[in-house]
Amino acid sequence: NAGVMQNPRHLVRRRGQEARLRCSPMKGHSHVYWYRQLPEEGLKFMVYLQKENIIDESGMPKERFSAEFPKEGPSILRIQQVVRGDSAAYFCASSPWGGSYEQYFGPGTRLTVT
Amino acid sequence: AQTVTQSQPEMSVQEAETVTLSCTYDTSESDYYLFWYKQPPSRQMILVIRQEAYKQQNATENRFSVNFQKAAKSFSLKISDSQLGDAAMYFCAYRSEGSQGNLIFGKGTKLSVKP
Repeated sequence: NAGVMQNPRHLVRRRGQEARLRCSPMKGHSHVYWYRQLPEEGLKFMVYLQKENIIDESGMPKERFSAEFPKEGPSILRIQQVVRGDSAAYFCASSPWGGSYEQYFGPGTRLTVT
Repeated sequence: AQTVTQSQPEMSVQEAETVTLSCTYDTSESDYYLFWYKQPPSRQMILVIRQEAYKQQNATENRFSVNFQKAAKSFSLKISDSQLGDAAMYFCAYRSEGSQGNLIFGKGTKLSVKP
């Protein structure tokens, strides 16, 4: 059973460009969480999605950030008009059901904004 | 809102020795879960151990054990017989029983293991 996949592993964008980060959950998992890790910090929750639904986006910045988890395909975290402060590692985690204490993390995507 | 505090930014231990990493948290809830995650240089987050707040018995996983003091809101991680591969960032995390599952992390403790 393959683990949580994230791609790309490293992404470099210039200020003002768009960044798209992908997360494929473990097989059989329909719940996805996105977290952001700024340098020298712990992970901070951004958004929780089920297939075709955003359940909790309380940690998402109000502007420029969006997330989706379509019926088919990976979950996408999209950052429009990136700024230097968006440089961070973005992790997704999946679980078989909401509220499950077991979250399986992907290897993360490191976004660098130049 | 719940918070998680790790007061030791860095710790060091000699190989084969024992080290304890501290974690305190603040919550008004009675039911919750606590976790320790390991993040090696590869940056992959690895679950080390978890504790359900309703369980009085401290969780143990091989060389890893916790000291869970619910009244004191303390959740420390003890690593016995430290190995070079234990060198990593360690994060303490909290999750509410009634939440959708999102984890609240501390800032982490960087553990070095000396040969």
